[in-house]
Amino acid sequence: GQQVMQIPQYQHVQEGEDFTTYCNSSTTLSNIQWYKQRPGGHPVFLIQLVKSGEVKKQKRLTFQFGEAKKNSSLHITATQTTDVGTYFCAGPANDYKLSFGAGTTVTVRA
Amino acid sequence: NAGVTQTPKFRILKIGQSMTLQCTQDMNHNYMYWYRQDPGMGLKLIYYSVGAGITDKGEVPNGYNVSRSTTEDFPLRLELAAPSQTSVYFCASSYDGRASNQPQHFGDGTRLSIL
Repeated sequence: GQQVMQIPQYQHVQEGEDFTTYCNSSTTLSNIQWYKQRPGGHPVFLIQLVKSGEVKKQKRLTFQFGEAKKNSSLHITATQTTDVGTYFCAGPANDYKLSFGAGTTVTVRA
Repeated sequence: NAGVTQTPKFRILKIGQSMTLQCTQDMNHNYMYWYRQDPGMGLKLIYYSVGAGITDKGEVPNGYNVSRSTTEDFPLRLELAAPSQTSVYFCASSYDGRASNQPQHFGDGTRLSIL
């Protein structure tokens, strides 16, 4: 079935620096969703991208959907300690369920 | 609005014991899901349901059972607990329509240890 792959698995970032995490699919996706899970918490929906080439921003987070709708990225600028957690992308596995990537776990050095 | 509520939050079981993880949602969502998350890993789908009376297997259904008698409730049953089932279990729900286009709302999780 359809799977989404995320890289890197871990991202260690100096506070104030930028970083990007990537999500790739072998098949075209109708949409892609991003979730954030804080340590010890549950996944929380961040955003959904639907259109080819779509770019959406949430404060310091920029989400992009590739032109071919097979990849996506999350870019965080000026990383803060509040950005710590695991970021998951998810794409449709069929009409009823999502396929989640393995996640990128972000740690921040103050 | 409570959203998705899971009970218990923590549980320790002995090998071979059985238990039911409870999940209820008050958003009138038709679609509900059970995931497990092993330490440092992603989410693996155990079972899902598209409505009352309808359930289907996910990636890792062995050792689990579910039922969906009402829209609100989607309990997960472990019949003979094994150490490999030590994990954090998340229940989630999503709105009607094409479920794969809808965001999923997660409960706080049940942390289960099998000793």
